[in-house]
Amino acid sequence: EVALTQTPGTLSLSPGERATLSCRASQSVSSNYLAWYQQKPGQAPRLLIHGISRRATGIPDRFSGSGSGTDFTLTISRLEPEDFAVYYCQQYGSSPRTFGPGTKVDIK
Amino acid sequence: EVQLVESGGGLVQPGGSLRLSCAASGFTFSSFEMNWVRQVPGKGLEWLSYISSSGSITYYADSVKGRITISRDNAKNSLYLQMNSLRAEDTADYYCARMGYDDSGHYKTAFDIWGRGTMVTVSS
Repeated sequence: EVALTQTPGTLSLSPGERATLSCRASQSVSSNYLAWYQQKPGQAPRLLIHGISRRATGIPDRFSGSGSGTDFTLTISRLEPEDFAVYYCQQYGSSPRTFGPGTKVDIK
Repeated sequence: EVQLVESGGGLVQPGGSLRLSCAASGFTFSSFEMNWVRQVPGKGLEWLSYISSSGSITYYADSVKGRITISRDNAKNSLYLQMNSLRAEDTADYYCARMGYDDSGHYKTAFDIWGRGTMVTVSS
């Protein structure tokens, strides 16, 4: 099983600031199948990034993904008010398709 | 509109059973792999199960293996999750999610469509 850890657990920032979220896998992610999701209270998760760095349909370009092997990063270049949420990474290249524990981005 | 709608959640006693459904619309359901994911209130996401587009291949998380069964009816555009021997720790929101593909049909694009979830509460 590929275990994922995310740091930090909580990120307190102000609108307009840059957010950098990390995800580390216990072993190399198969086929670069690493995704990021955003979840707001009372809502289902929303796909932001797949394949490490490919934005999903309709996702603004302030969201970007990077990394390789076991270390991955989600960057939000300038936080908008609607970006304050919980972010999860996921590997979907092997079973079980594990999620990280999440990083909460809240307003400072 | 591409959509997934879960149903079947509710209150069930410990040791009981429940069958969740997920109705798909707006896309060719039979062409896509599907998954179930759950979330305990206030906690993170937990992947539970996968089923291939034809239904011939299934995978389960160790935490629920032997207690749940995933299935699908492509003629009815529906996905199912049969849950048995339910425990208090199974109390959660249950989501169905589609595994997307790019235009080539070869490259997976993660869980691109999610339902809104159905709540399961296991309590006496």
